[in-house]
Amino acid sequence: EPEVTQTPSHQVTQMGQEVILRCVPISNHLYFYWYRQILGQKVEFLVSFYNNEISEKSEIFDDQFSVERPDGSNFTLKIRSTKLEDSAMYFCASTEHTANTEAFFGQGTRLTVV
Amino acid sequence: EDKVVQSPLSLVVHEGDTVTLNCSYEVTNFRSLLWYKQEKKAPTFLFMLTSSGIEKKSGRLSSILDKKELFSILNITATQTGDSAIYLCAFPTGSGTYKYIFGTGTRLKVLA
Repeated sequence: EPEVTQTPSHQVTQMGQEVILRCVPISNHLYFYWYRQILGQKVEFLVSFYNNEISEKSEIFDDQFSVERPDGSNFTLKIRSTKLEDSAMYFCASTEHTANTEAFFGQGTRLTVV
Repeated sequence: EDKVVQSPLSLVVHEGDTVTLNCSYEVTNFRSLLWYKQEKKAPTFLFMLTSSGIEKKSGRLSSILDKKELFSILNITATQTGDSAIYLCAFPTGSGTYKYIFGTGTRLKVLA
């Protein structure tokens, strides 16, 4: 069964460092998303991406964040200068369409900023 | 502002019990409601509901939507320890790419 894959599964980084989280969405999906979940809290939307550009972003997704689809398969989330409060589980998701189709989530990357 | 409330927040039952989880919502431009199961990491899809009163069923799990009273329930019969997870309801919202808003989830623990 096709799945969304994310790497790494766990990343520890020092405050102020840049991190890149990687995702390979399902191959025929067109819409890509990043969500995050701070420990014990809700899953929160960060950004959606379609046709090589950002479609929507939340207020969490400030100038420190960027997304890219560098080739036909990868979808990356970059955090330029990590802060302690960026520590969370980051989920990538993809959907085939937007109209009433479910999102498939990757296994997540646990980011720990120390 | 869109609002999603799940209850109970947590639940501990014994194997074989039946549980009912609730998701109440106030969402503008309702399109659908989705239930996900989150075990250790990724939410995995269970059901998508778009119409009131039509039960969706998969094995021991079933779900129904009430668009008049603005809630959905997820039933699990004959619970097993493998049902232990956080159950999330989610709504696509916005325009274009339909981000999800999630409820806080119900943490279910099934004891052997």
